[in-house]
Amino acid sequence: AQRVTQPEKLLSVFKGAPVELKCNYSYSGSPELFWYVQYSRQRLQLLLRHISRESIKGFTADLNKGETSFHLKKPFAQEEDSAMYYCARRGSGYSTLTFGKGTMLLVSP
Amino acid sequence: DADVTQTPRNRITKTGKRIMLECSQTKGHDRMYWYRQDPGLGLRLIYYSFDVKDINKGEISDGYSVSRQAQAKFSLSLESAIPNQTALYFCATSVLTSGTTDTQYFGPGTRLTVL
Repeated sequence: AQRVTQPEKLLSVFKGAPVELKCNYSYSGSPELFWYVQYSRQRLQLLLRHISRESIKGFTADLNKGETSFHLKKPFAQEEDSAMYYCARRGSGYSTLTFGKGTMLLVSP
Repeated sequence: DADVTQTPRNRITKTGKRIMLECSQTKGHDRMYWYRQDPGLGLRLIYYSFDVKDINKGEISDGYSVSRQAQAKFSLSLESAIPNQTALYFCATSVLTSGTTDTQYFGPGTRLTVL
């Protein structure tokens, strides 16, 4: 079974501190990895995906196949980054996403 | 994204009642999904549909059924609601791009409480 593990339910940091939200996935072929974000009172939305190798709102995530990880990083957290973050994967041959349980990021002033 | 709408937004019902949650989209996407979100459990897939004639069970389909009335509409039914179906329900849509990947677009959610 496909699994996505986000070990932290809650991550609390101060503004300006570095942030790393962890995500590990079960190995299976060539998965596609995504980060989705849900801000307060807003819809869940795509933040970034590994195949795009993009930086969105200062966030980056690198797929590490050796460690089967896709950690989300930002060097300097902002208060507006406070949200629930979900890591998700779509495995090769599968067409649906499997989501992790989510990590709540709280950035304090 | 206002292109994916869900009705109702909130619903309180009693155990044993039949409930239907509706999802409509104007994005022209073929693929539609129903998820439930529970604290500490994240999002879990209930049912999905890749086109009008295609219906598939997800991870937690027991106690639920769906209907894809048209490309734009995908309804989720709880035949006999029970309290542990109290959750936030999300509809999502997607379309394959670049050959393999697809981005999912979510509705605003329906908060269902079963007493």
